Amino acid sequence: DTEVTQTPKHLVMGMTNKKSLKCEQHMGHRAMYWYKQKAKKPPELMFVYSYEKLSINESVPSRFSPECPNSSLLNLHLHALQPEDSALYLCASREDPTDPNQPQHFGDGTRLSIL
Amino acid sequence: AQKITQTQPGMFVQEKEAVTLDCTYDTSDQSYGLFWYKQPSSGEMIFLIYQGSYDEQNATEGRYSLNFQKARKSANLVISASQLGDSAMYFCAMRLYSGGGADGLTFGKGTHLIIQP
Repeated sequence: DTEVTQTPKHLVMGMTNKKSLKCEQHMGHRAMYWYKQKAKKPPELMFVYSYEKLSINESVPSRFSPECPNSSLLNLHLHALQPEDSALYLCASREDPTDPNQPQHFGDGTRLSIL
Repeated sequence: AQKITQTQPGMFVQEKEAVTLDCTYDTSDQSYGLFWYKQPSSGEMIFLIYQGSYDEQNATEGRYSLNFQKARKSANLVISASQLGDSAMYFCAMRLYSGGGADGLTFGKGTHLIIQP
């Protein structure tokens, strides 16, 4: 079991639906991340939150909307997704946003399928 | 941006043998770090080992060690006495951008390691 908890583990949604992915950690980490991983590819960075503020948006389409309501919780709101958005969405956290030598800790991911 | 290259898409290794997974990188930073992650079929990314560019010794963590050759810009992962449970995808990674601040990781394409009994 990881210390970064992602829910749901699996999600199937239509292109007109609105859903949210949730990520939670109670390690006191102040940097949190969303990555997208297509099948047989490496993870690709989507968003970075540092001290609950969005610090990096990797030119992600606006149909993905991140939110960090507090230091333990990170959400990814989904709306009007396309079939090519089907992927594994990984959340990660790191203790100190300013120390690049620290590892990121990942959750198990949410497997998203768009019909 | 930084770049990571893993040239071994897949490897088959006999159980109990040692295995070396290759990783080369490109960066203009003087100070940087390399990370290795394991991803089983379940999807979770498991942190294995870290090597800092100014670390005087190669990193070791149990059965994992890094063969770090700074001049060649390589940071190969060595797994000693491989086990069936080592079968997974292995990714080498480093920070995506130069400079300070919170940053994400950029990953190599990965190596799919299969341990055979």
